[in-house]
Amino acid sequence: DQQVKQNSPSLSVQEGRISILNCDYTNSMFDYFLWYKKYPAEGPTFLISISSIKDKNEDGRFTVFLNKSAKHLSLHIVPSQPGDSAVYFCAASSMDSNYQLIWGAGTKLIIKP
Amino acid sequence: DVKVTQSSRYLVKRTGEKVFLECVQDMDHENMFWYRQDPGLGLRLIYFSYDVKMKEKGDIPEGYSVSREKKERFSLILESASTNQTSMYLCASSSRDRDYWAWGQYFGPGTRLTVT
Repeated sequence: DQQVKQNSPSLSVQEGRISILNCDYTNSMFDYFLWYKKYPAEGPTFLISISSIKDKNEDGRFTVFLNKSAKHLSLHIVPSQPGDSAVYFCAASSMDSNYQLIWGAGTKLIIKP
Repeated sequence: DVKVTQSSRYLVKRTGEKVFLECVQDMDHENMFWYRQDPGLGLRLIYFSYDVKMKEKGDIPEGYSVSREKKERFSLILESASTNQTSMYLCASSSRDRDYWAWGQYFGPGTRLTVT
């Protein structure tokens, strides 16, 4: 039973446009949601997080939106740059999960020049 | 700057060999994790440890064991490697304080293991 789902395996976006990556979850007990970026042959790196008590968090070109009623979050990248081409993972956690993260399958973002 | 290092970037082993993957972190983190990453499956937790000599099974512990004798070091052991253990192995660490919720887990560069 996948608790965190990223339904798009890949996404192609023109450089300079907005990239929107989506993530759905089923467990209403999740307290935090995190986005990670992963380049080939490297470990994932933390990008941005959001607490379940918020609906938006922004950091530079990256904004995460949380819709709790729909159990949906999205990562917006504006404007998209070639260096943003990577696999993006959505992850979720709850305060009683002993610091474990539940991961989505990832979305490969390709930024076209 | 947090650093998580893994003993090898690439490793090729034969079926039946015993394989050791080592991970070291320099941030005095209490938690350490071993994942494997396969295309289309995301990151799957093998084992984690929240203290020295403590270990907990993750989602896919079969065929693996771990050792944590020192706080900074977490080892993953494949007792008898099989071809279905060919994968990217990722080690991560995290704190247990409020920073965790802002920054999550820190990852090493990964070890690409091929079992032939």
